[in-house]
Amino acid sequence: SYVVTQPPSVSVAPGRTASITCDGNNIGSKSVHWYQQRPGQAPALLIYFDSQRASGIPERFSGSKSGSTATLTISRVEAGDEADFYCQVWESSTDHVVFGGGTRLTVL
Amino acid sequence: QVQLQESGPGLVKPSETLSLTCSVSGVSISRTSYSYYWTWIRQPAGRGLEWVGRFFASGSTQYSPSLKSRVAMSVDTSENQFSLKLTSVTAADTAVYYCVAGGLVGATGADYFDYWGQGILVTVSS
Repeated sequence: SYVVTQPPSVSVAPGRTASITCDGNNIGSKSVHWYQQRPGQAPALLIYFDSQRASGIPERFSGSKSGSTATLTISRVEAGDEADFYCQVWESSTDHVVFGGGTRLTVL
Repeated sequence: QVQLQESGPGLVKPSETLSLTCSVSGVSISRTSYSYYWTWIRQPAGRGLEWVGRFFASGSTQYSPSLKSRVAMSVDTSENQFSLKLTSVTAADTAVYYCVAGGLVGATGADYFDYWGQGILVTVSS
């Protein structure tokens, strides 16, 4: 079955830039969506269609895709950005949603 | 403002059926233009997200390949609710279950999740 792989954790100092990757075979042909899940909360849509920010999401959050990797970039990281981040695609060969395993962002 | 709220038993015995309902406000489930995917997603404690399945206004359903033999989703348009049934549960089905809506039926790649319920913890235990 289709697998998308994320690093389990990423650490970054406040004010710096964090990059969270999402690797998958032929991911270039799929739409990638990103979610942020703060502790104790439901996930929230951050980015859809690879790079479109969801309503109310600051410009510090951006998405891109190149080759077999999609990337979520968080600029000028703040303490409040600490959360788990998930990428998601639709696997058309078997008609189901696939989530990455999630990346925990730690702000040092 | 689309809002979703899960309800159902928080404790289910092994081998029995898990049944959850999602009440929707702010939009009609049966809307056929610019309609959403209506979805269940679960998350075991300390672990990642797992898609359970979805349906859309045409009546079509799609389920996770790993759960397909045990899952059924249905809709009650008169109550603007949709439901999940998962049969023959085991401890591995213990999770927070989210009902979710979003995307845009018929638009390629538009299978993202805009609106989430708060989630309901379901524990499978005797």
